[in-house]
Amino acid sequence: GEDVEQSLFLSVREGDSSVINCTYTDSSSTYLYWYKQEPGAGLQLLTYIFSNMDMKQDQRLTVLLNKKDKHLSLRIADTQTGDSAIYFCAEIKGGKLIFGQGTELSVKP
Amino acid sequence: DVKVTQSSRYLVKRTGEKVFLECVQDMDHENMFWYRQDPGLGLRLIYFSYDVKMKEKGDIPEGYSVSREKKERFSLILESASTNQTSMYLCASRPSGADTQYFGPGTRLTVL
Repeated sequence: GEDVEQSLFLSVREGDSSVINCTYTDSSSTYLYWYKQEPGAGLQLLTYIFSNMDMKQDQRLTVLLNKKDKHLSLRIADTQTGDSAIYFCAEIKGGKLIFGQGTELSVKP
Repeated sequence: DVKVTQSSRYLVKRTGEKVFLECVQDMDHENMFWYRQDPGLGLRLIYFSYDVKMKEKGDIPEGYSVSREKKERFSLILESASTNQTSMYLCASRPSGADTQYFGPGTRLTVL
């Protein structure tokens, strides 16, 4: 995961907003992805953003993309205990998905 | 709905054993992938395949081999398991012309 960087842990209170940040390296990546991994499960595609967009909103999820700084963020509004999971950002490089280390989101009641 | 299944959720093997991890997808995808996931390291690509009988090394192929005899099935083989191969193994598939990968539930392998 050296090409894509994320912080490893984030803890929030139920009802607060969560912001998970990611930096990537390949400016030619056409899509950038957020995957969610619930405890004991595989990865589930959460959302993605096309590289010519700055923002994408999908219900409680907002993805922001700053191409100049190669910075991607995922905001979860009104975070619930069911949002507790590991969140991975990923870029496309050479036709392959390159993942960050994953951010473990812990939601406290 | 795309379905990617893996043969076992949990597996315990001894050092030196030969281990087979099986992955099957039901959506006729051309591309299939094997990753391992370790805490703090994210997902690392072991091998991938873009067609039947075709395979390419990923970032960490050492100690592993793969087999793709049929389009729907991609097997990961540990010829002689070692303790440093204790990990979570994730399989994924992707249709040609698309970037999105679909993941299986994972196999947690412990090598004693």
